[in-house]
Amino acid sequence: QVELQESGPGLVKPAGTLSLTCSVSGHSISRNYYWGWIRQPPGKGLEWIGAIYQSVITYYNPSLKSRVIISGDTSNNQFSLTLTSVTAADAATYYCARSQGPAFGGVIVAWGKGTTVTVSS
Amino acid sequence: QSVLTQSPSVSAAAGQKVTISCSGSGSNIENNYVSWYQQVPGTAPKLLIFDTNKRPSGIPDRFSGSKSGTSATLGITGLQTGDEADYYCGTWDNSLSAVVFGGGTKLTVL
Repeated sequence: QVELQESGPGLVKPAGTLSLTCSVSGHSISRNYYWGWIRQPPGKGLEWIGAIYQSVITYYNPSLKSRVIISGDTSNNQFSLTLTSVTAADAATYYCARSQGPAFGGVIVAWGKGTTVTVSS
Repeated sequence: QSVLTQSPSVSAAAGQKVTISCSGSGSNIENNYVSWYQQVPGTAPKLLIFDTNKRPSGIPDRFSGSKSGTSATLGITGLQTGDEADYYCGTWDNSLSAVVFGGGTKLTVL
């Protein structure tokens, strides 16, 4: 059974860079599935950030694409999120997830527990 | 502003049935599989329905999904207090090349 665990700083300064890592156990990120990130601002709904497939193919939310990079580290079975030029609007709980591809509607089949990121100086 | 539209809230008595709707367009719901997620406050979302109408192992058959044109529906029968949660629909959007979600529907069991 796959398990996903987010890690990274819980506090980021405005205009700074948010960096999170997702450690995966129970399944190799180099085999099948898409590996990605979803966020949820306090009291609000879910927002898909993007996903990576076999550490090469990436899809990003068009509204965040200019600020986001998702990368894979197959040697450590991890993948990461980098979000630049953060503002208060980027404060949220960030979830890493395993999903199916577009042909399956991008269904999120497994979620991490989430990590809260605050943006403040 | 979410790409998919859901009613903010719905309520029904315990033991009754409720439906939660999700409205989209030809670039998303009409031509792609729809999934549904349940989120109890303070916890991560959980997959309820995938491929529009299939249930993952462990999800009771009280939960069902369907789709017609550009709209999808989640049905829950035999409502229990434990079903109180936020419910989200999601699918792929071919124009955006992205996963899109509804804004969520809060279910209250009376």
